[in-house]
Amino acid sequence: QVVLVESGGGVVQPGRSLRLSCAASGFSFGDYAIHWVRQTPDKGLEWVALISHDGSDKYYADSVKGRFIISRDNSKDTLALQMDSLRPEDTGVYFCVRDRALLMVFYSMDVWGTGTTVTVSS
Amino acid sequence: SYVLTQPPSVSVAPGQTARMTCGGSNLIFKSVHWYQQKPGQAPVLVVYDDSDRPSGIPERYSGSKSENTATLTISRVEAGDEADYYCQVYDSDSDRPVFGGGTKLTVL
Repeated sequence: QVVLVESGGGVVQPGRSLRLSCAASGFSFGDYAIHWVRQTPDKGLEWVALISHDGSDKYYADSVKGRFIISRDNSKDTLALQMDSLRPEDTGVYFCVRDRALLMVFYSMDVWGTGTTVTVSS
Repeated sequence: SYVLTQPPSVSVAPGQTARMTCGGSNLIFKSVHWYQQKPGQAPVLVVYDDSDRPSGIPERYSGSKSENTATLTISRVEAGDEADYYCQVYDSDSDRPVFGGGTKLTVL
């Protein structure tokens, strides 16, 4: 069974940091690009970041560029999102999501984790 | 930035056909993907590349597209189809995926 499980969410003050993790199982993790997508009441679903299957390419939404870093460890089938300088508008549910393409990026997302909640508030 | 426009809500009686639209400029040149999200759950891909269905998605779900509008059609609607539905494309100008605001499907 193909599964993605996020962890690391919580309540944090503005300006502080948080690190999200995503553990994959049931598929060849190193063959797929992975996205982070967040969901907020205000903006709905919002793409956050993408990392290629081998970690060589990384892309970020303008809203998080320079503050968030996406990384992966294919030897451990894990993904991470380091979030620094957090803002209240970063509040939301963060999903780890597999891209549908094998060894490429199609920007359609076929496996979603259950999500982890981040709340940025003083 | 690229914008996808979806009606906030659609209502349909059981057994009828639900049609949900997604509008965007030059949509004909983009691949449209559709996701279903039930309350408290993660989204699920139901249609990709305008009209293809992932394995396990019923044939009642279909997608189509004209010049500036994509449509997700659910035939013989069931109570279990009640959910939020989001369209999504890749915007080459900004080099990022873009989601629509979502449509809440209510089964009367």
